[in-house]
Amino acid sequence: DVKVTQSSRYLVKRTGEKVFLECVQDMDHENMFWYRQDPGLGLRLIYFSYDVKMKEKGDIPEGYSVSREKKERFSLILESASTNQTSMYLCASRPKNTEAFFGQGTRLTVV
Amino acid sequence: AQSVAQPEDQVNVAEGNPLTVKCTYSVSGNPYLFWYVQYPNRGLQFLLKYITGDNLVKGSYGFEAEFNKSQTSFHLKKPSALVSDSALYFCAVRDRYNTDKLIFGTGTRLQVFP
Repeated sequence: DVKVTQSSRYLVKRTGEKVFLECVQDMDHENMFWYRQDPGLGLRLIYFSYDVKMKEKGDIPEGYSVSREKKERFSLILESASTNQTSMYLCASRPKNTEAFFGQGTRLTVV
Repeated sequence: AQSVAQPEDQVNVAEGNPLTVKCTYSVSGNPYLFWYVQYPNRGLQFLLKYITGDNLVKGSYGFEAEFNKSQTSFHLKKPSALVSDSALYFCAVRDRYNTDKLIFGTGTRLQVFP
């Protein structure tokens, strides 16, 4: 079975903190994604990566950055957390031309 | 631009009755289409996909979906609903000739009553 693991299920951070969300996949997938999920808005793509050290902006990249130094790991970084970044964050990975596999999600609260 | 619409925020159905969750899409080329399900406080689980071939696609847990190119729809169906099917359902689309981006709808909450 494909496994996509997000480092935390729940996080509480203070406004202005630098926050790292980690995601690891064990199936050698090329593509990895970060989404945020908000009620009524569905899933919105923040960033994705199609190879090591390669990244592309999604639909809502402002306030976020990403890092992919190794194929299995894709990190989402909130440079200075704000309350409007309180959300559920979902990481996904997939090989080319097939479905994506999701992690269990990280519910981030910024206070 | 790619987009997906799920016109119903919530669908209510009695256990044992057939269910339909609607999805329409817009892409510039031929689509890859997907359905995912999310249970409370969990990530998304893949249900089924349409890539090419038969318009009726069968997936996990007895779900199926029908691809209709003329109506640009990909509705999710099940002949007999279970209480345990109650969850949040997402439709997603990818343009096979465009990018690797997967675009999701806003989700439909399915409530199955005993």
